[in-house]
Amino acid sequence: DAGVIQSPRHEVTEMGQEVTLRCKPISGHDYLFWYRQTMMRGLELLIYFNNNVPIDDSGMPEDRFSAKMPNASFSTLKIQPSEPRDSAVYFCASRGLYTDTQYFGPGTRLTVL
Amino acid sequence: TQLLEQSPQFLSIQEGENLTVYCNSSSVFSSLQWYRQEPGEGPVLLVTVVTGGEVKKLKRLTFQFGDARKDSSLHITAAQPGDTGLYLCAGFFYNNDMRFGAGTRLTVKP
Repeated sequence: DAGVIQSPRHEVTEMGQEVTLRCKPISGHDYLFWYRQTMMRGLELLIYFNNNVPIDDSGMPEDRFSAKMPNASFSTLKIQPSEPRDSAVYFCASRGLYTDTQYFGPGTRLTVL
Repeated sequence: TQLLEQSPQFLSIQEGENLTVYCNSSSVFSSLQWYRQEPGEGPVLLVTVVTGGEVKKLKRLTFQFGDARKDSSLHITAAQPGDTGLYLCAGFFYNNDMRFGAGTRLTVKP
């Protein structure tokens, strides 16, 4: 298995632009998580899905952030409009139903100018 | 809101030395995980501890869960440059909340 796949690996955009981050979880995994990592705040859980259904989005910072999981093999995290304070590394992770092991993707480094 | 505190924040040692990093909370964990993250990559799970007082070993790494399940430690014996990285603890709480600590950034110099 290729592991969790994220794209793009790096994104540089200007303030006000829409940003879409993509994730392909490990096949067969029931849970998908989106995290944000910054030096100031560490690793924060934004939202997670179970069987494509959003379960807890209490970590989503504000309405500019939205996440979807249209099927078991694909999820997106969208920021519209983006702001410089959104600059961070965004990780996607997945895990199976009967395990506590989350597998993280390599992350997307987002820079908003 | 449950908070996790990790210490130290930074640690720089010579190859061959021993070290311990800590993870603490004022709340009781239902379980706790330790991860290691290398630059440009996502965190990788090292271990999960569930039972108070539990000790788990992974080669030169020893993980301990406090008796009261409010703290955990990671001890590395004879550190090697390959141990360099960010060590994160992740605490799971009984209200289904889960939080990561800020991490300990370890540098092992040859």
